[in-house]
Amino acid sequence: GDSVTQMEGPVTLSEEAFLTINCTYTATGYPSLFWYVQYPGEGLQLLLKATKADDKGSNKGFEATYRKETTSFHLEKGSVQVSDSAVYFCALSLNTGGFKTIFGAGTRLFVKA
Amino acid sequence: GAGVSQSPSNKVTEKGKDVELRCDPISGHTALYWYRQRLGQGLEFLIYFQGNSAPDKSGLPSDRFSAERTGESVSTLTIQRTQQEDSAVYLCASSRWTGGSVNEQFFGPGTRLTVL
Repeated sequence: GDSVTQMEGPVTLSEEAFLTINCTYTATGYPSLFWYVQYPGEGLQLLLKATKADDKGSNKGFEATYRKETTSFHLEKGSVQVSDSAVYFCALSLNTGGFKTIFGAGTRLFVKA
Repeated sequence: GAGVSQSPSNKVTEKGKDVELRCDPISGHTALYWYRQRLGQGLEFLIYFQGNSAPDKSGLPSDRFSAERTGESVSTLTIQRTQQEDSAVYLCASSRWTGGSVNEQFFGPGTRLTVL
């Protein structure tokens, strides 16, 4: 079945370090891919998305590229800040007459000053 | 404008009781989703409503779970004869519908359900 696998956390980095959170997916058809973020004490919110192969989503210094050949959508940021500490969720949506969305388990990121 | 709201924010119930959770989507959002998030885990899709189309119920874990939505407004998720394994945060999200495009989901704050 359709699924999303992302790297386990927690990930702990120092400020200004490079961040990669891996995400791979299994899907029948051609999904749209998303990264959602949940900051402490807040609800989930969309960080970025890509709707077709080779698309790059970007927002707030984060980027992810839709790689169909490796079925991946890894999240990257060149220089993390303490304020980036949050839980990051990779997700896919399939147009099956509706848009059922499947989420990964989430990766918690801690950034130390 | 107002975001997605959910009530109650917390619910503690005894095993075997029924509970009803409510979601008010953003006005104009025709798509509505329910998810379950167990402690330390990802979001588990439960059900999806889009306008007047038949809902996608493929994620409901058992026949104790049901959900309703009237038109494009409020939705209620009902869990009958609750079990301890039902303890989780139940999240609701809504989004606009623009035909073949996938739009951003806006999430509510969730209802934390504890079954004793």
